[in-house]
Amino acid sequence: KAGVTQTPRYLIKTRGQQVTLSCSPISGHRSVSWYQQTPGQGLQFLFEYFSETQRNKGNFPGRFSGRQFSNSRSEMNVSTLELGDSALYLCASSLDGAAGELFFGEGSRLTVL
Amino acid sequence: AQRVTQPEKLLSVFKGAPVELKCNYSYSGSPELFWYVQYSRQRLQLLLRHISRESIKGFTADLNKGETSFHLKKPFAQEEDSAMYYCALSAHTGANSKLTFGKGITLSVRP
Repeated sequence: KAGVTQTPRYLIKTRGQQVTLSCSPISGHRSVSWYQQTPGQGLQFLFEYFSETQRNKGNFPGRFSGRQFSNSRSEMNVSTLELGDSALYLCASSLDGAAGELFFGEGSRLTVL
Repeated sequence: AQRVTQPEKLLSVFKGAPVELKCNYSYSGSPELFWYVQYSRQRLQLLLRHISRESIKGFTADLNKGETSFHLKKPFAQEEDSAMYYCALSAHTGANSKLTFGKGITLSVRP
């Protein structure tokens, strides 16, 4: 079956703009988690959605938000972009959340100028 | 709060040498530990989890609750083992759970 798909793969924005990233999970997976990956901090948990509800949230400012649709597809949004938001944003899906195996997408590489 | 520490950023060994990638964790409850791996130009993927107690690609990891460690070991490294390795901890609070990752270690296996 198809893996986790993230779009867009690459994007460049300027400070102050906002961005929306999309994630399509593996068919049948109801949990979608988002992570920010940077060379200095590694993988940092943003949030997890399960059946359209945010089930858990990391320590990121309110500029970072997300949602999940009835078909389990998820989007995350970052408003008022800052230079420090430049990172690889990874989406992962699973059947039942972090207790199970996470299947990762290839990521969306965001560069903020 | 949970924390995962991978004290080294890089480990370079020769082919055939033993490998030990260190992972220590901090969590007051009963943790579930995982190792994820990212090969060059590939997605991050699960390597193994402590509850399955299995060996994957020759790698094993034992959960030591006394030392709060979950080190990844392989007796004889192969060049194809070169990759980025992340230790991760799953913490449960009621119906919620999240996976906390360490900062990762790059394993380089030289011929």
